[in-house]
Amino acid sequence: AQSVTQPDIHITVSEGASLELRCNYSYGATPYLFWYVQSPGQGLQLLLKYFSGDTLVQGIKGFEAEFKRSQSSFNLRKPSVHWSDAAEYFCAVVLGGSQGNLIFGKGTKLSVKP
Amino acid sequence: GAVVSQHPSWVICKSGTSVKIECRSLDFQATTMFWYRQFPKQSLMLMATSNEGSKATYEQGVEKDKFLINHASLTLSTLTVTSAHPEDSSFYICSAAPGETQYFGPGTRLLVL
Repeated sequence: AQSVTQPDIHITVSEGASLELRCNYSYGATPYLFWYVQSPGQGLQLLLKYFSGDTLVQGIKGFEAEFKRSQSSFNLRKPSVHWSDAAEYFCAVVLGGSQGNLIFGKGTKLSVKP
Repeated sequence: GAVVSQHPSWVICKSGTSVKIECRSLDFQATTMFWYRQFPKQSLMLMATSNEGSKATYEQGVEKDKFLINHASLTLSTLTVTSAHPEDSSFYICSAAPGETQYFGPGTRLLVL
């Protein structure tokens, strides 16, 4: 069955430090890949997405993600974390060509130390 | 672009009453919208897919008589929680996709007393 794994439930980084959030997927074909961010009590905001092409994608708020087919991974990175980045981050995948069946990982909560 | 709104943002109701939640696509038309439920500290669970002009498609285990979905126009889908009970208390989020990217509403927090 298709699945998305975010192995880190909670990560704490210092403000200004770099960040990498991990995401692995299990899918027969290359899916469409997404990262969303959710602040407490809010909906989800799209950070970035990968459908095809350049495997390094840039998103909003200074985030980027790299698709690695050989590792079935789509890790999210940011070179310098800001206190406002503290939130829950969800990796999600959908089978290409279909609008539905968006499968989410369990999320990684990011805390930022001053 | 691709803005999705929800109303209300939070609601408190008595057990046994029904609650309607609206989901609107503000700057695009959506023939399909999605309803999710999120429990505290958990990920989103797809409840149903709302289809304009036809019946919604419910995920396994979701009671269609409990969670009524109506998609009456290309910009509006509603979720009605009928005869709500405390176990229905949750965070409900809708989404819509102008293409192959889903954009999410801000969510509705429901508390059933």
